[in-house]
Amino acid sequence: EAAVTQSPRSKVAVTGGKVTLSCHQTNNHDYMYWYRQDTGHGLRLIHYSYVADSTEKGDIPDGYKASRPSQENFSLILELASLSQTAVYFCASSDAGGGYAEQFFGPGTRLTVL
Amino acid sequence: GEQVEQRPPHLSVREGDSAVITCTYTDPNSYYFFWYKQEPGASLQLLMKVFSSTEINEGQGFTVLLNKKDKRLSLNLTAAHPGDSAAYFCAVSGVDSNYQLIWGSGTKLIIKP
Repeated sequence: EAAVTQSPRSKVAVTGGKVTLSCHQTNNHDYMYWYRQDTGHGLRLIHYSYVADSTEKGDIPDGYKASRPSQENFSLILELASLSQTAVYFCASSDAGGGYAEQFFGPGTRLTVL
Repeated sequence: GEQVEQRPPHLSVREGDSAVITCTYTDPNSYYFFWYKQEPGASLQLLMKVFSSTEINEGQGFTVLLNKKDKRLSLNLTAAHPGDSAAYFCAVSGVDSNYQLIWGSGTKLIIKP
């Protein structure tokens, strides 16, 4: 009973197309995050949210939008996918912000933009 | 802003040997430190966490040391076993990062029999 799930697990998209990555958590956590992971790099924060219907920009928000329609669901939207957005995307949740709470991660989505 | 450098990127040790992974950070006002483990094909899971008031933490065969003077965080594995083969990531948060986690680039640890 995975607490953070992501869909799809992998996706191939065309340049200029729209991509939506979905995340669902059953942890009853207020905070949710979207990260991207590139080979040889650590995770970089794209967007996060601490309450439904509100999102915040992370370190690398350009080219991405986020949506938090409910406490359980958090989506990442690439309106015009580009080659540089090929990466593995992780969703995470935590019960608190402030940088001290454990984050619980989903299995990741491997996105390839051609 | 906060920068975190993790070394080495790859590490191969024999079963039963020790291993050390190190992260250096730049913000002297960093307060929360984490090590996450990512097994092949799996997601990240918390391995250990250290807060700035604690300079050492032990568990699961690992020891985490925090040297605040040198701004260095290390993960020490005393006796490696095959189940330790994974990627390890440090993460740091503090004032400069607005208390968001800044991640190291990861270390791929391979345990050879």
